[in-house]
Amino acid sequence: GAGVSQTPSNKVTEKGKYVELRCDPISGHTALYWYRQSLGQGPEFLIYFQGTGAADDSGLPNDRFFAVRPEGSVSTLKIQRTERGDSAMYLCASSLQGAYNEQFFGPGTRLTVL
Amino acid sequence: GENVEQHPSTLSVQEGDSAVIKCTYSDSASNYFPWYKQELGKRPQLIIDIRSNVGEKKDQRIAVTLNKTAKHFSLHITETQPEDSAVYFCAATPTGGGTSYGKLTFGQGTILTVHP
Repeated sequence: GAGVSQTPSNKVTEKGKYVELRCDPISGHTALYWYRQSLGQGPEFLIYFQGTGAADDSGLPNDRFFAVRPEGSVSTLKIQRTERGDSAMYLCASSLQGAYNEQFFGPGTRLTVL
Repeated sequence: GENVEQHPSTLSVQEGDSAVIKCTYSDSASNYFPWYKQELGKRPQLIIDIRSNVGEKKDQRIAVTLNKTAKHFSLHITETQPEDSAVYFCAATPTGGGTSYGKLTFGQGTILTVHP
């Protein structure tokens, strides 16, 4: 079956602009995670959704970052007033509910803020 | 919160040799420890994982060991092959105290190069 997909694969924007990054999880996966990966580093947790609700958003760096999952499937990560420091690979992962279940990652969206 | 340290940052071996990557974690509530392999330009993929009630787990040429007392776990790859070349990440997640989801904390990664 289809894996996790993310669009766009690359996004170049200017400082101060607004961007949206989309994640399509594996069908039937109720858990959805967003991570951010800087070059040469491991992924860093941003936010976790169980169904439609954000159960843990403790990793969001500030209030410019927001994510939604209105129907419990597709999720959108939204970044307002982008800054150069936001440049990174944004990874989405999905899994069945439960801490021990494998998280399947998407290919990521590489965001570059000029 | 959890902190995961991973060593070495780079590892170079000859084909057929073994490779060992080590990680330490700080949160005693962590109970699940997956390892991910990330090839250049690709997504992380799970290669093996271990739960805290198990000391060792093997899958063909890959094994993981866990020492909960010392809070460290290791990845062992035997008979390495050039296609094992990639970045490897360890991770940890707490599953106790009412936590029911996998909020993974990753190590910094190890770049493994296997020379033919």
